[in-house]
Amino acid sequence: AQSVSQHNHHVILSEAASLELGCNYSYGGTVNLFWYVQYPGQHLQLLLKYFSGDPLVKGIKGFEAEFIKSKFSFNLRKPSVQWSDTAEYFCAVNAPNTDKLIFGTGTRLQVFP
Amino acid sequence: NAGVTQTPKFRVLKTGQSMTLLCAQDMNHEYMYWYRQDPGMGLRLIHYSVGEGTTAKGEVPDGYNVSRLKKQNFLLGLESAAPSQTSVYFCASSYPASGSRDNEQFFGPGTRLTVL
Repeated sequence: AQSVSQHNHHVILSEAASLELGCNYSYGGTVNLFWYVQYPGQHLQLLLKYFSGDPLVKGIKGFEAEFIKSKFSFNLRKPSVQWSDTAEYFCAVNAPNTDKLIFGTGTRLQVFP
Repeated sequence: NAGVTQTPKFRVLKTGQSMTLLCAQDMNHEYMYWYRQDPGMGLRLIHYSVGEGTTAKGEVPDGYNVSRLKKQNFLLGLESAAPSQTSVYFCASSYPASGSRDNEQFFGPGTRLTVL
């Protein structure tokens, strides 16, 4: 069965620090990969996605993620975080032509000024 | 476009009461989903639908029923609410995945349900 692991449950950073959030999945076939962000009190919004092509994906607000097929990973990065990046981040994966996304348990990011 | 909307936004129920949550989307998406979000557990799929008139069970379907009578609406019902169903419920919709398109899901604002 597909599963998604986010090893960092809670990350605390100061503004301008660099960020990397880990995401690993267990599915062995071709996958679509997503990072969603949930700001406090809001619904989930898409941050970026990998469908095919260049494994380095750039998203909104300066975020990027790299798909490394050999490591079954899709880690999220940002070179310099801002206080407004405080949110919960969810990695999700599915195989094409399946109906469901499998979500990780989320990583709570707190950024202090 | 309103995207995905959910009603109500908040609700408090007593154990044993019933209620229906409504999800509507105006993007002509084929697929719709209901999730629950609980602290430390991420989003778990309750039920989903791949088209009007069809429904299927997700990861945690017990205690819930759904209906998709119209393409744009997806209803989630709790027949006899239990405290374990206290959660935040999110609806989402998407196109089906195909060779040329991914199935990015678009989420509604959520319904916070408390069962006493």
